[in-house]
Amino acid sequence: DQQVKQNSPSLSVQEGRISILNCDYTNSMFDYFLWYKKYPAEGPTFLISISSIKDKNEDGRFTVFLNKSAKHLSLHIVPSQPGDSAVYFCAANSRDDKIIFGKGTRLHILP
Amino acid sequence: GAGVSQSPSNKVTEKGKDVELRCDPISGHTALYWYRQSLGQGLEFLIYFQGNSAPDKSGLPSDRFSAERTGGSVSTLTIQRTQQEDSAVYLCASSLGWGANYGYTFGSGTRLTVV
Repeated sequence: DQQVKQNSPSLSVQEGRISILNCDYTNSMFDYFLWYKKYPAEGPTFLISISSIKDKNEDGRFTVFLNKSAKHLSLHIVPSQPGDSAVYFCAANSRDDKIIFGKGTRLHILP
Repeated sequence: GAGVSQSPSNKVTEKGKDVELRCDPISGHTALYWYRQSLGQGLEFLIYFQGNSAPDKSGLPSDRFSAERTGGSVSTLTIQRTQQEDSAVYLCASSLGWGANYGYTFGSGTRLTVV
């Protein structure tokens, strides 16, 4: 029973364009959402987060949008750069303070 | 050290053998988490520690898995009688407190291959 779903296993985007990674969740009790980025042979690194009381959080080229009614969040990267090629994990904080991760989306930035 | 350190980075073991994976968290981080990532899967929660105690062991896949943490620092994850389905990357993370707003710092993981 996947509580955090990333339905696109991979995504290819032209350098300079906008990358949009999507995530859906099922548990309305989640109160905090995060995106992590992972390069091969490295651990995931924190990218950006959003509290459930907000609908948008922006940090440089990265913006996370939260639509609570749809139980959907998305990560926008603009403009996309070659170094953005990685696996992106969507995650949600449960009330017992575990972070539940999705399966990840592999982003390829094309030259 | 500056980051979360895991050892070994790679481990190949024969089916049926026991393995022990080690995690050195960031100094001062009271919370420690173990996750694993199997091929094609997301990060699966295994267990977390608040100090030396593990309030939630629900993610451990079977009774062959156990974990301990001593001195509020180093943690070991032990898998007894390994099976091929145990092959995965085992990731450890630590944070100043428990809860997502503290932010997790992950180690590079231990890639376990059971042959």
